[in-house]
Amino acid sequence: SYVLTQPPSVSVAPGKTARITCGGNNIGSKSVHWYQQKPGQAPVLVIYYDSDRPSGIPERFSGSNSGNTATLTISRVEAGDEADYYCQVWDRSSDHPGVFGTGTKVTVL
Amino acid sequence: EVQLVESGGGLVQPGGSLRLSCAASGVTFSSHAMSWVRQAPGKGLEWVSGISGNGGSTYDADSLKGRFTISRDNSKSTLYLQMNSLRVEDTAVYYCAKDGGSGPSWFFDLWGRGTLVTVSS
Repeated sequence: SYVLTQPPSVSVAPGKTARITCGGNNIGSKSVHWYQQKPGQAPVLVIYYDSDRPSGIPERFSGSNSGNTATLTISRVEAGDEADYYCQVWDRSSDHPGVFGTGTKVTVL
Repeated sequence: EVQLVESGGGLVQPGGSLRLSCAASGVTFSSHAMSWVRQAPGKGLEWVSGISGNGGSTYDADSLKGRFTISRDNSKSTLYLQMNSLRVEDTAVYYCAKDGGSGPSWFFDLWGRGTLVTVSS
């Protein structure tokens, strides 16, 4: 089945930029979605179709996808952005089509 | 209010069965594919199963080996997950999640709060 690899952790100072990568074989040919999950809460969609933002998500959140890497970028990081982040794709050709990345813990210093 | 509410979790012995439910409100339930996603304690998200809006197509994680069955009753705006032959490793919070597209797009824009399933003797 398709594998998505994320760094376990990313640390960033307030006001700086955090970049979270999601690696997968030719992931640029797939649509990538991103979720934020805070402790004890359900995940929240922050980016869909590589770079679209749902209503209510700050413009500070952006996404890109090319080649073997998709990236979630959080600009002007705030303390409230501290959370786990997961990428996700739907691999239609697989017998396990729903795939989440391994998750990245973002720590705001 | 737009929401999904899961129920049916609890403690079950290995080899036992449970049926989870997810009641939707404030959404046109039959228009959206739905999925179950689980999260073991301290672990990441794992997609479990998905179903199209009319229930005609279902998709499962290969790791489940046919033990889980997803279904829906659009007249009741309710999603189900029948779980059989449960194993200790099935212990997790189970979330239901609504598809974010107008047709099956298989990303999830609305999540329930989850229901905890504990498999232990």
